[in-house]
Amino acid sequence: DTAVSQTPKYLVTQMGNDKSIKCEQNLGHDTMYWYKQDSKKFLKIMFSYNNKELIINETVPNRFSPKSPDKAHLNLHINSLELGDSAVYFCASSHGPHNNYGYTFGSGTRLTVV
Amino acid sequence: QKEVEQNSGPLSVPEGAIASLNCTYSDRGSQSFFWYRQYSGKSPELIMFIYSNGDKEDGRFTAQLNKASQYVSLLIRDSQPSDSATYLCAVYNNNDMRFGAGTRLTVKP
Repeated sequence: DTAVSQTPKYLVTQMGNDKSIKCEQNLGHDTMYWYKQDSKKFLKIMFSYNNKELIINETVPNRFSPKSPDKAHLNLHINSLELGDSAVYFCASSHGPHNNYGYTFGSGTRLTVV
Repeated sequence: QKEVEQNSGPLSVPEGAIASLNCTYSDRGSQSFFWYRQYSGKSPELIMFIYSNGDKEDGRFTAQLNKASQYVSLLIRDSQPSDSATYLCAVYNNNDMRFGAGTRLTVKP
């Protein structure tokens, strides 16, 4: 199936741990994104990559590090997890950075830090 | 800070009525405007986009854009209980897609 797929779907971990979330899209899109959705449902951009190149890097703690090995993959690594990192993280993709056709979202990763 | 503002709701309408969802944005250079629907526990899915002033219709959905007033809306005709969800307005300009906090819509049978 063509889609944006994220793993894992759920992640429960202790404070101070390091974890990664993986994202892959087989839509042939050039641009991929990481969004964070907090408990109030507000979606906030974190990072954007176009053809493996970082194009958006919002003000997020440097404990968050994205990696794009190729244009179909964008992973998110988080060091020293904190309680405030608990949220749903969505990966998305689009045809390009000057896209006018909207994004396709992955199913999300619900991260709970305890 | 470029902002997208929506009434958080909840907005409740009876089945068969018209639901009207509103969104204002602060960036006058915004180029494209989107409405996403998000069911509880699911990811956002694109339902409409509009670039030009005026109305754009797709089935029961109509998007309306007024760039002078920096206002975009979504009308849902003949609302169904399955339309109950959070509707996110998104505004795009130059690599940057900003989302509103969403309006929660409940359609009562």
